[in-house]
Amino acid sequence: GAVVSQHPSWVICKSGTSVKIECRSLDFQATTMFWYRQFPKQSLMLMATSNEGSKATYEQGVEKDKFLINHASLTLSTLTVTSAHPEDSSFYICSARPTGRSYEQYFGPGTRLTVT
Amino acid sequence: DAKTTQPPSMDCAEGRAANLPCNHSTISGNEYVYWYRQIHSQGPQYIIHGLKNNETNEMASLIITEDRKSSTLILPHATLRDTAVYYCIVRVAGDTGRRALTFGSGTRLQVQP
Repeated sequence: GAVVSQHPSWVICKSGTSVKIECRSLDFQATTMFWYRQFPKQSLMLMATSNEGSKATYEQGVEKDKFLINHASLTLSTLTVTSAHPEDSSFYICSARPTGRSYEQYFGPGTRLTVT
Repeated sequence: DAKTTQPPSMDCAEGRAANLPCNHSTISGNEYVYWYRQIHSQGPQYIIHGLKNNETNEMASLIITEDRKSSTLILPHATLRDTAVYYCIVRVAGDTGRRALTFGSGTRLQVQP
């Protein structure tokens, strides 16, 4: 149980284009989902917190207009990287917290984004 | 959330126990100790968590000192697949806790054949 999936697992896009990454909780509902970014040899950095039906909360230094987050249902959150640039190339990981179980947080397998 | 300190790297022989330490000297009474690991190019995987009692599950054991200022994650029989970065995280749990887990640098465990 408590499986989180991400799609795609990897994506290559050209500079200036937009890329959407999906995060799904497969066997539980998640009122809250989180998006992290991880650069090579670094730790995970929280980008934003999304709550179903409301606007996402972004961490300091993360551009909300560049990283669009939509959490339209209790099992799906999407991250859209708009006008991607090579410096956006990174490993993006989503995480979901089961509704009513705030001490648990489950992670997706990550999406490798390469912007050429 | 309380700050944690972990050694940057450790080696362990395959089949032996891996003991990963974590210091959290500023931990508060309502903060739990969580352990996650991240195998290369994968998302973090939950291992175990505890408040003050020692905990054991099918993956590992968690030993928390009586003063709760440090803990040790024990992988009883390490295998090559246990090679990963292990993160010790301290945070408040509860229905009102809505913050995400935050990750430090972790300990890179290399299990040697």
